[in-house]
Amino acid sequence: QKEVEQDPGPLSVPEGAIVSLNCTYSNSAFQYFMWYRQYSRKGPELLMYTYSSGNKEDGRFTAQVDKSSKYISLFIRDSQPSDSATYLCATNTPGGGNKLVFGAGTILRVKS
Amino acid sequence: KAGVTQTPRYLIKTRGQQVTLSCSPISGHRSVSWYQQTPGQGLQFLFEYFSETQRNKGNFPGRFSGRQFSNSRSEMNVSTLELGDSALYLCASSLFTGGRETQYFGPGTRLLVL
Repeated sequence: QKEVEQDPGPLSVPEGAIVSLNCTYSNSAFQYFMWYRQYSRKGPELLMYTYSSGNKEDGRFTAQVDKSSKYISLFIRDSQPSDSATYLCATNTPGGGNKLVFGAGTILRVKS
Repeated sequence: KAGVTQTPRYLIKTRGQQVTLSCSPISGHRSVSWYQQTPGQGLQFLFEYFSETQRNKGNFPGRFSGRQFSNSRSEMNVSTLELGDSALYLCASSLFTGGRETQYFGPGTRLLVL
């Protein structure tokens, strides 16, 4: 079983739709959670960083963490064609330093 | 402020050769991490260097090695290349600020092993 599970999609939605992207994780020791966006042939770009359970909002993006269910989500409101990319969830393994564990990434396509 | 830069951007090698990839972190960042990205395995952590010392290591064979210089620039080396080493190699630098450490990725080096 992978430490972070994510449905690779692809997920295809019409412009303006609300998008829900999800991941589950197995280790309750994971504390920090991130969402990265990766465009084709580019490096991942940090979108959201969360620590505690609950919601965090930034513009059209909302990150949600439910530590009791080991479930993290990213919601995109009013989706745009420019949101078409691969979205990766990630967590920082405990023990210090930077060692991120990533989900497989979900390919999102927003159709105009 | 300039982002993370990686050189070269593209590389073609043959099996058995070795390769060295370079990463220049964002100015002021002291931690540099390396990741391998493939369609089958996704993004996997290779190793992390902080102040010229390896701080974390992933589950890759000893053919994969790295180092960091006093100016925080980092290199990774892969010896005796195998076809399965074909991948996008990503470097990320980070700075601890505001109670957290955030990683910023470079554009990657795409390695093709023939």
